[in-house]
Amino acid sequence: AQSVTQPDIHITVSEGASLELRCNYSYGATPYLFWYVQSPGQGLQLLLKYFSGDTLVQGIKGFEAEFKRSQSSFNLRKPSVHWSDAAEYFCAARWFGNEKLTFGTGTRLTIIP
Amino acid sequence: NAGVTQTPKFQVLKTGQSMTLQCAQDMNHNSMYWYRQDPGMGLRLIYYSASEGTTDKGEVPNGYNVSRLNKREFSLRLESAAPSQTSVYFCASSVYVIIGQNNQPQHFGDGTRLSIL
Repeated sequence: AQSVTQPDIHITVSEGASLELRCNYSYGATPYLFWYVQSPGQGLQLLLKYFSGDTLVQGIKGFEAEFKRSQSSFNLRKPSVHWSDAAEYFCAARWFGNEKLTFGTGTRLTIIP
Repeated sequence: NAGVTQTPKFQVLKTGQSMTLQCAQDMNHNSMYWYRQDPGMGLRLIYYSASEGTTDKGEVPNGYNVSRLNKREFSLRLESAAPSQTSVYFCASSVYVIIGQNNQPQHFGDGTRLSIL
C-alpha cells in the first residue's frame, strides 16, 4: 500500500543547531513529494516540492530536502534553526494516477534557547 | 489575496446535530479537497472534487457529504454528527489535476475545529 512514514514523532533541537527531519515512502514507483509546515492553530504551508530532476530541492524559509531513490527517502534539512521554526512538519506524497495526497503522521519540532 | 477561507473556525455540536462546513478559494483552482486531522494520524482525505461538477470519495468518507457549489466553493456536511467526528477539518485547493500529471501542490485553509459532545 502507498504510505508515507515519518519515524520521529517529536524532535527537540537548540536554536542555531542543524536540523534533519526524516521521511520515507513505500511502494515501488517514485511519487511526487512535498513538505508542509503547520504552525499552531494554522493551516499547512508548502515548504518545498520534488517532481523530478535535481535531487536537492530548495524551499522557503531556508529549508531544503534531498531525494534519495535508493533509500525511498525525502529528508528535510535546515543548517541553522530559529525559534520561529517550532511547528509540526508533514511529509506528503502523491503517486502517479492517484488523486490522493498521502500524508505522514507529522514530526513536532521544539526549539530550545 | 485570501487563498483558501474556511468558516466557521470553531464549532461545538451535540451528537445527532447537523452542520455544514464552508470553504471558498479565490485562486481560480479547479480541484478542491476536504481532510480531517487527528492526533498521530496526519491528514486523511474525506472527499475531493477534481473539477467543478464532480466529487469523489477519499479514504474516510463515511458520515459526510459534499457539495461543489461552484468553482470557488466546496462544502462539507455532517448530517448526524457523532463524537468520532470530533476533529480539525481542512479544506485545500490546487490547480486542475489531470490523471498522470498530478504534481501540483495543494493550498490549505486555516481549518475548522469541530467538537461533538
